[in-house]
Amino acid sequence: EPEVTQTPSHQVTQMGQEVILRCVPISNHLYFYWYRQILGQKVEFLVSFYNNEISEKSEIFDDQFSVERPDGSNFTLKIRSTKLEDSAMYFCASSPRTQNIQYFGAGTRLSVL
Amino acid sequence: GESVGLHLPTLSVQEGDNSIINCAYSNSASDYFIWYKQESGKGPQFIIDIRSNMDKRQGQRVTVLLNKTVKHLSLQIAATQPGDSAVYFCAEIRNRDDKIIFGKGTRLHILP
Repeated sequence: EPEVTQTPSHQVTQMGQEVILRCVPISNHLYFYWYRQILGQKVEFLVSFYNNEISEKSEIFDDQFSVERPDGSNFTLKIRSTKLEDSAMYFCASSPRTQNIQYFGAGTRLSVL
Repeated sequence: GESVGLHLPTLSVQEGDNSIINCAYSNSASDYFIWYKQESGKGPQFIIDIRSNMDKRQGQRVTVLLNKTVKHLSLQIAATQPGDSAVYFCAEIRNRDDKIIFGKGTRLHILP
């Protein structure tokens, strides 16, 4: 069964460092998303991406965040200068159509020290 | 404010019994609802969905009911099994929107 894969599973970084979280969406999907989940809280939308551009972003997704689809398979989330409060699980999701089921990866746990 | 919320944070059910997880939503413009299951250390896993033009939808051992009058969504799991232990999120996608708005989640405990 096709699935969304994310790497690494756990990323530890120092405050102020840049991190890149990687995702390989399901191959025939066209819509891509990043969400995050702070420990014990609900999953929150960060950004959606379609046709090589951002479709929508939340207030959380400030200038420190960027997304990229550098090739036909990867979808990345970059945090330019990490803060302690960026510590969370980051989930990538993909979907074949808009307003449809979004399939989630297992997540990357980001720990900012 | 507008949100998707859950009535109970934790639900304990005897193995073999049916489980009902409830959810209230406040935005009448929402037209697509999804239930996700999240096991420890994993990402949200799709269970079942329903669009606002439907009242009920059934899957394998799961049923989702939508009551638009009172803005209520429920997930029924038949013959609950140990593997059903997880946190269950109701989620909505609003009209002309694409992002998922998640509720806080209900933890389902299966008692032996």
